[in-house]
Amino acid sequence: AQSVSQHNHHVILSEAASLELGCNYSYGGTVNLFWYVQYPGQHLQLLLKYFSGDPLVKGIKGFEAEFIKSKFSFNLRKPSVQWSDTAEYFCAVNAQTGANNLFFGTGTRLTVIP
Amino acid sequence: DTAVSQTPKYLVTQMGNDKSIKCEQNLGHDTMYWYKQDSKKFLKIMFSYNNKELIINETVPNRFSPKSPDKAHLNLHINSLELGDSAVYFCASSSRQVGFSGGYTFGSGTRLTVV
Repeated sequence: AQSVSQHNHHVILSEAASLELGCNYSYGGTVNLFWYVQYPGQHLQLLLKYFSGDPLVKGIKGFEAEFIKSKFSFNLRKPSVQWSDTAEYFCAVNAQTGANNLFFGTGTRLTVIP
Repeated sequence: DTAVSQTPKYLVTQMGNDKSIKCEQNLGHDTMYWYKQDSKKFLKIMFSYNNKELIINETVPNRFSPKSPDKAHLNLHINSLELGDSAVYFCASSSRQVGFSGGYTFGSGTRLTVV
């Protein structure tokens, strides 16, 4: 079965700082990779996804992520964060074949200080 | 025109009660899911349901049962509620027909509090 690790539990940054959130997965087959964001009190929204092609994926709100297959990683980046980026960020993976269940990491809480 | 809608948004109930949470999607997706998000924000899949195929996470107590009257609805019924059931429950849907690449669309969640 797939599993996802997010090593950063809570990240605190000042506005305009650069962001990188780590995500590693374990699965022997071909996967789809996702980053979701959950703003306080809200549901999960898709930031970006990777399923094939260019390993550098650009998402909404200036976020991007890079799939490095050899490292089983899919780190999320943003060059300059804003206060409005304060939220919980979840990395997720599902296998391209099979049940299509989405497995989530434990999440990283991002707090951006104005 | 909400894509995945859940009701109720908040649910407070006493231990031992039986309750249901409803979920409907109007996206034409063929697969629906229930996730539980605990107090530490960890998201754990409970069920997935696709064209009469129910896949259950074996760690989910059998007090939880999904009920799907049609492919646009997947309700969650919980018997004999316990304090540990307090969490936010998210419904989601997806379509396998897009090659598993579409991701999930989530509902807004139901915050269940058992007292």
